[in-house]
Amino acid sequence: AQRVTQPEKLLSVFKGAPVELKCNYSYSGSPELFWYVQYSRQRLQLLLRHISRESIKGFTADLNKGETSFHLKKPFAQEEDSAMYYCALLAGSSASKIIFGSGTRLSIRP
Amino acid sequence: EPEVTQTPSHQVTQMGQEVILRCVPISNHLYFYWYRQILGQKVEFLVSFYNNEISEKSEIFDDQFSVERPDGSNFTLKIRSTKLEDSAMYFCASSDGGYGEQFFGPGTRLTVL
Repeated sequence: AQRVTQPEKLLSVFKGAPVELKCNYSYSGSPELFWYVQYSRQRLQLLLRHISRESIKGFTADLNKGETSFHLKKPFAQEEDSAMYYCALLAGSSASKIIFGSGTRLSIRP
Repeated sequence: EPEVTQTPSHQVTQMGQEVILRCVPISNHLYFYWYRQILGQKVEFLVSFYNNEISEKSEIFDDQFSVERPDGSNFTLKIRSTKLEDSAMYFCASSDGGYGEQFFGPGTRLTVL
């Protein structure tokens, strides 16, 4: 079964503290994984994808096939990081759909 | 920067009525998608569309749903006879390739009374 699991509905950390948003996936093939972010009153937007191996806004995510995980990390949280974060998996017969996790709301306390 | 647009932002309808949700994808994109998010639940895939036909659809996308690209710019989702459980936020997305980044619209909130 193709599935993305985000175990935390809400994560609250202090500004300057490290952040780790957890994501596990289930996929039979070679996964292509993403993190999407939705800031308050804004649209869903791509934060990063594992194949690009970039760091965006200080966030990184490493694909661990052994643990089937793709956790999102940032060493020092900023207030503007407060948002809803969705881990997602590209799936379908011709990469034609995205399967989303249930999302984690990240709240950064000043 | 080009964006996906959706109209209306909020649609209220009576159960059993037909609704059409409209999307204008990014102009050079060829792949189009609809997703929905029921309040408090995850974003769910409904359908993907390429080359004027459905590429893939989920089990949610039953005979009550249809999609169309009536002209060169619009992409529509029609629900023939709405049910209470169709109340959700509906997101349109587009990409320039099957493996390309999907760009999402702001969503249409559908409320079925």
